[in-house]
Formats: sequence, C-alpha cells, structure tokens
Amino acid sequence: EADIYQTPRYLVIGTGKKITLECSQTMGHDKMYWYQQDPGMELHLIHYSYGVNSTEKGDLSSESTVSRIRTEHFPLTLESARPSHTSQYLCASSENTGHYNEQFFGPGTRLTVL
Amino acid sequence: GNSVTQMEGPVTLSEEAFLTINCTYTATGYPSLFWYVQYPGEGLQLLLKATKADDKGSNKGFEATYRKETTSFHLEKGSVQVSDSAVYFCALSERNTGFQKLVFGTGTRLLVSP
Repeated sequence: EADIYQTPRYLVIGTGKKITLECSQTMGHDKMYWYQQDPGMELHLIHYSYGVNSTEKGDLSSESTVSRIRTEHFPLTLESARPSHTSQYLCASSENTGHYNEQFFGPGTRLTVL
Repeated sequence: GNSVTQMEGPVTLSEEAFLTINCTYTATGYPSLFWYVQYPGEGLQLLLKATKADDKGSNKGFEATYRKETTSFHLEKGSVQVSDSAVYFCALSERNTGFQKLVFGTGTRLLVSP
C-alpha cells in the first residue's frame, strides 16, 4: 500500500495569499512529482525531483515553486495565489530503480482561489 | 513525442455489462504501459501494468494486453459493478531514456448504474 500524504485536502483562499501544499512519502523514494489536474481531468506535470536538492520544471509552465530538502518531503509553494491557480494538485513518487516508473499518488489537494 | 489517446467519455453502463475502454499510444522505443483509476475525491491508483509486448496485466477483474502491432492497451472487464464508477487513465513510460516521466491520456469517466 502506498504511503504518500498530502495536506491540506481542501483549501479555499483569497487572491494574493502565499500558500504551501505539503507532500510527504514514507517509502524512501528518490523521485517525486507534482501534477496539476484541470476540471477536464487531464493531468499536467508541473515539477519533478530526482532526489534531495534536485528540482526541475515539468511539461506545463507553472508559477509555483518546489523544494526538496529531505527525501520524504516535497512541498509546493505559490507566492501569490490567483484565481487561475484554482485546480487539483496531485503529488506522486516512484521507486529508485525507475525501470518502469510506477508512480504512487497522494490523495490530492483541491485548491480554490477566490 | 510520446502520446496516449483514450476514448472520450463518459462511458455509461448498467451493472454486469461488459466494459471496454480503448487506449492507443505513440512512442519511440519500448514503453511500459499502465492503467490508473481515480475514484471521486481521491488521487490516482495503479490498476494494472504491462512491461513488454504480449504481456497481460490484470487486477480486480480488469485486464489489458500490450499489443505492439496495433500499439494498443485496451482495458476490459467482463462484468462491471457500481463501485467501478471512476475515471480511468491510460499511461506510458519509456524505459531507459533519462528521467522517465509518465505520459497520461486524457482520462475516461465510467458511470455504472444499478
């Protein structure tokens, strides 16, 4: 069973606020990912990490930033939230061998910016 | 580039009906193929996978066969239940090409009525 956690599950916030979405995994995976899922269900990779102190931009440009100071923790930050950031954010991790890249997903954070 | 094409939904079935959700892919090399399922309000869960041509992945009554000649990985279930109502994502990951990202289809919503 996957052990990857996201908090908060739901967040409603006003424009201009700074927010951090938390993601933690207890599987010792080096690789972690953030996806943005739009209302049409499509998933877009916005950030990923090979390991500690490694972060890369994904396929979809995002105003968010990420950090990876500890293996188990991969938070995502929005410095100034806007209504266009309203979406579902999914965190995932995958095994270190990476041959098949089976990813384990957290439950997601549904963000609404008013 | 790599891509995955899924049939558009929603797919609406009565309980005990036969399910097929079509998935075709375009990839260079030899991808691994996955089906993920997303239940309402949750993250994605791996449903099944196949790592080479002619492999059949199966789980919870669902099956999919990796067909290299038709570049397809169609999901099937002989008798669906109301609890199978969810969004299903087909995905591929190409092996041994640097950082391996998952490429997702757009998702197919399945609605099963009693």
